[in-house]
Amino acid sequence: DGGITQSPKYLFRKEGQNVTLSCEQNLNHDAMYWYRQDPGQGLRLIYYSQIVNDFQKGDIAEGYSVSREKKESFPLTVTSAQKNPTAFYLCASTIRGRGDTQYFGPGTRLTVL
Amino acid sequence: AQSVSQHNHHVILSEAASLELGCNYSYGGTVNLFWYVQYPGQHLQLLLKYFSGDPLVKGIKGFEAEFIKSKFSFNLRKPSVQWSDTAEYFCAVKDGNAGNMLTFGGGTRLMVKP
Repeated sequence: DGGITQSPKYLFRKEGQNVTLSCEQNLNHDAMYWYRQDPGQGLRLIYYSQIVNDFQKGDIAEGYSVSREKKESFPLTVTSAQKNPTAFYLCASTIRGRGDTQYFGPGTRLTVL
Repeated sequence: AQSVSQHNHHVILSEAASLELGCNYSYGGTVNLFWYVQYPGQHLQLLLKYFSGDPLVKGIKGFEAEFIKSKFSFNLRKPSVQWSDTAEYFCAVKDGNAGNMLTFGGGTRLMVKP
């Protein structure tokens, strides 16, 4: 059963703590993406990776970090430097190439207490 | 940079009413256009997409969208909505100058009253 999984579904963090969100896909997709979803602002790109061991900053990368050591996995770390981390985080993947559809995971809702 | 505008943030309709959600993007040239839908508690999923050819695109669940290049628009339509269409709808644009990156609109939250 192919797809994208994200864990945990809900995550609570104290201010000043780093936290890592998991994203795994078994679709054999090359490219993976992290978005942040806030009400009324749609989805904004945080980081993306086109191939293993390579990743690029998106529009709102400050306060976040990623790694891409395996094709299947693209974890996102929300660091204490992120000023407003409470949000819904979505991971997506796609086969490399022009015009390909992105497939999305179920998301992780992060709340900073 | 590309920007995408969805002018209707909240729409409330009765069942059987017709729906049109606006989407405009800022830059011309070669673009790929998408509508995604997020039903309550579910994954964001593709509703329809335009890459080339016939500018009138038909998607799942009776939705369609028309690409009008001269107006930089890709409006979503459905002739008769159902209660199950209650969801948030996102327009997205990928242009040839931005690799495989999507730029999303702010979303439109649709509520259909039974």
